[in-house]
Amino acid sequence: AQSVTQLDSHVSVSEGTPVLLRCNYSSSYSPSLFWYVQHPNKGLQLLLKYTSAATLVKGINGFEAEFKKSETSFHLTKPSAHMSDAAEYFCVVSDKARAGGTSYGKLTFGQGTILTVHP
Amino acid sequence: GAVVSQHPSWVICKSGTSVKIECRSLDFQATTMFWYRQFPKQSLMLMATSNEGSKATYEQGVEKDKFLINHASLTLSTLTVTSAHPEDSSFYICSAADIYSNQPQHFGDGTRLSIL
Repeated sequence: AQSVTQLDSHVSVSEGTPVLLRCNYSSSYSPSLFWYVQHPNKGLQLLLKYTSAATLVKGINGFEAEFKKSETSFHLTKPSAHMSDAAEYFCVVSDKARAGGTSYGKLTFGQGTILTVHP
Repeated sequence: GAVVSQHPSWVICKSGTSVKIECRSLDFQATTMFWYRQFPKQSLMLMATSNEGSKATYEQGVEKDKFLINHASLTLSTLTVTSAHPEDSSFYICSAADIYSNQPQHFGDGTRLSIL
């Protein structure tokens, strides 16, 4: 079984200040972890993914996340927020590694964190 | 990057009508497509998984006769909401993946369905 907990439903920051969106996961397998962003009435865009390689993962738009197995965490950070970062962010875990392939399997989504960026 | 096109983006129809939503992978072969439902201010809930040429696998609590899924080719899957009622109003999102590639799912832009 797998699950994801996003610790904050809303995060509000000022433009130019750091962003921290927190995520804890639970998985019976060696997990794959993702962060997706969703703008209003839009689908999801992949920001970054962790798949058992480097524990510090760099993504698009200046975002990065660190996989910490001992803490079962995968927090998303950005050094300096931009107004265009305002959106909803989802932390996602996958039970990957189907034998013979590289299927990412079923995705389990966190409840989402709405990021507001103030001028 | 991989592109998934979902159509229509928005539909309003009367209660009792059936509505078809299309999901297309434009530049890759989607061996597997996923259909999600998202209620306002909530996360995505997986409804079903479809593999090309096979019957869809539905999640617990999802009525397969209500939500008909067809995945007849490697680039197209359809979700038909049959005899839709107001409680079916929601945001439906598809995603597509080539399970033999090392890439995660790619999502469409979603369909806002409103049943009057």
